[in-house]
Amino acid sequence: RKEVEQDPGPFNVPEGATVAFNCTYSNSASQSFFWYRQDCRKEPKLLMSVYSSGNEDGRFTAQLNRASQYISLLIRDSKLSDSATYLCVVRNFNKFYFGSGTKLNVKP
Amino acid sequence: GAGVSQSPSNKVTEKGKDVELRCDPISGHTALYWYRQSLGQGLEFLIYFQGNSAPDKSGLPSDRFSAERTGGSVSTLTIQRTQQEDSAVYLCASSPLGVAGGPNEQFFGPGTRLTVL
Repeated sequence: RKEVEQDPGPFNVPEGATVAFNCTYSNSASQSFFWYRQDCRKEPKLLMSVYSSGNEDGRFTAQLNRASQYISLLIRDSKLSDSATYLCVVRNFNKFYFGSGTKLNVKP
Repeated sequence: GAGVSQSPSNKVTEKGKDVELRCDPISGHTALYWYRQSLGQGLEFLIYFQGNSAPDKSGLPSDRFSAERTGGSVSTLTIQRTQQEDSAVYLCASSPLGVAGGPNEQFFGPGTRLTVL
């Protein structure tokens, strides 16, 4: 079983839509959780860390459910510039585990 | 401040040649990671450094791959006798692991795109 699992998509949504991505992780002892964004032929960049209480950054909301070992990312009012691959990342001690990514296409 | 830098940004080599890839992490970051990403694929972990030591080399695909880190800073990834299947983007990341209370995320460099002909 993979450490981190994500639906690869693609998610094709119109501008202005709300879209949600989910991710599950296998190690209940994992300490930190993140969403990264990766544009085509670019390096991954941190979108946001995910905290147990849930956190929001503008149009982006992340949630963590430790009991279910589940992480989510909600994007409201999608923009064309949100088109990218979104990577779910989990840290267990000094090792980072990456999901394979969920591809989002926002269309006009 | 300066982010993670990698050089060269692109490298084209012939099968059988050796290549050396360089990573300059963010100053003060104790942890350094190398990953490989083939076109359209996810990140493949190669090796992790804490300071100058490499507690986890489990991702190195063969003994043709080696890496070192000196002075707790710059790291080089060496691939000997390159093969066509080594063609990929090699990404380096650093992290301030050990900072109390922080999530200790990774910061990535722009990568080196390696093409083996």
